[in-house]
Amino acid sequence: AQSVTQPDIHITVSEGASLELRCNYSYGATPYLFWYVQSPGQGLQLLLKYFSGDTLVQGIKGFEAEFKRSQSSFNLRKPSVHWSDAAEYFCAVGEISNYKLTFGKGTLLTVNP
Amino acid sequence: GAVVSQHPSRVICKSGTSVKIECRSLDFQATTMFWYRQFPKQSLMLMATSNEGSKATYEQGVEKDKFLINHASLTLSTLTVTSAHPEDSSFYICSALGRQETQYFGPGTRLLVL
Repeated sequence: AQSVTQPDIHITVSEGASLELRCNYSYGATPYLFWYVQSPGQGLQLLLKYFSGDTLVQGIKGFEAEFKRSQSSFNLRKPSVHWSDAAEYFCAVGEISNYKLTFGKGTLLTVNP
Repeated sequence: GAVVSQHPSRVICKSGTSVKIECRSLDFQATTMFWYRQFPKQSLMLMATSNEGSKATYEQGVEKDKFLINHASLTLSTLTVTSAHPEDSSFYICSALGRQETQYFGPGTRLLVL
C-alpha cells in the first residue's frame, strides 16, 4: 500500500524567506503526486501535480516541486514566502488505477512578519 | 474552472437525527466523487468513492449503513449521516475527479452533533 510522509509537522519562516516542505512517498509504480494547501476551515486547493515528464513542476502562487525518483521525494519550494502563504500543506500520492489519494499528515506553515 | 461546492458549510443537529450533505461540481461533470473526513489537526481520511449511477465503494472500517452516499447525477453526490451521534462530529470534505485525473475539493462541511 502506498504511503506519504511529511516529516515536518510545523515550520515557521519569516516573510520573504525561502521555503522547502518535505514529502517522501512509498508507491510501487510511477506515482501521481500532488501538493494541496488548506486554509483554516477550508477545503483543499491544488497547488501543483506531477504525473510524468519534466521532474520540476511549476504551480500556482509561485510554488514549485521537484520529483526525485531516487529519493522517493516530492519536495515543495517557494523562493520568497508571503504572509498569505500561512496554511496547512498536504502532499498526496494518487493510485493510477482508481485515482484514490493517500495524504500525508500535513505541514503547518507559520509566517512571521 | 474545476469548482466544487458543498452545502451546508456548517450544520448542528441533535443526536439521533440524520444530516444530508451535498457536493456539486459546478463547471464540469464528474463520474467519480470522493468523500473524506478530517479530524482536528489531522489529515484527510478517505471514507468512500462515489460513482455516478452505481453503488459507492466504502473504505475499510466505514459503516455503509451509517454514511449513505448517493451519486444520482454527473454533478451531484450526497452524503447522509444517519442517526448521527456526537462521535460523528467532524469536518467532511468532498472532491470531484476532474480532467487529468485530478481531484478538486469542496470547501468542506463542519458537522456538530449535540
